[in-house]
Amino acid sequence: GQQLNQSPQSMFIQEGEDVSMNCTSSSIFNTWLWYKQDPGEGPVLLIALYKAGELTSNGRLTAQFGITRKDSFLNISASIPSDVGIYFCGDFGNEKLTFGTGTRLTIIP
Amino acid sequence: DAGVIQSPRHEVTEMGQEVTLRCKPISGHNSLFWYRQTMMRGLELLIYFNNNVPIDDSGMPEDRFSAKMPNASFSTLKIQPSEPRDSAVYFCASSPQDRIHSPLHFGNGTRLTVT
Repeated sequence: GQQLNQSPQSMFIQEGEDVSMNCTSSSIFNTWLWYKQDPGEGPVLLIALYKAGELTSNGRLTAQFGITRKDSFLNISASIPSDVGIYFCGDFGNEKLTFGTGTRLTIIP
Repeated sequence: DAGVIQSPRHEVTEMGQEVTLRCKPISGHNSLFWYRQTMMRGLELLIYFNNNVPIDDSGMPEDRFSAKMPNASFSTLKIQPSEPRDSAVYFCASSPQDRIHSPLHFGNGTRLTVT
């Protein structure tokens, strides 16, 4: 089956720094979804991408659907303490939403 | 919008007991999903329903797991008998399916501990 690989697995940054994470797949995607999970809560949708090459922003977040349709990145600019959490990419391969292993973001005071 | 509502938030039970997890999807959403999250395996799809009908249950780990959706506003996931390896956070999610690949909206999960 398809595999979703997220990198890095974890990040330790200082407040105010920019963050970049990405997701790659062994298969071609038609949809990329980026979710964030806070401790003790369910994942919350950040950005949805539906077209190859699409670049979408949501406040300080920017995500792009790769031209090859096998990758996507998520950038966070000027990180703040509430950005802490786990970020998941997901896709609808075989019509089921499958998630990557996540990138855990920690902000150092 | 109340969001997806799951109950209980926490469940602690002994091995061999029956466990029932409950979910109320967002009103108007016609697809419902059950996921399990563990450190080792991440988020795994167990089963999903479309218009109250189970579409794909290939992710259900064993016959001990069963899920029902008797109406558009309620679903249950049952484990009988429970085992320690079932300990995980179980999430319910719903989707409006108003377009192809509509994003899912998740509840806050039920943390299950089987001792």
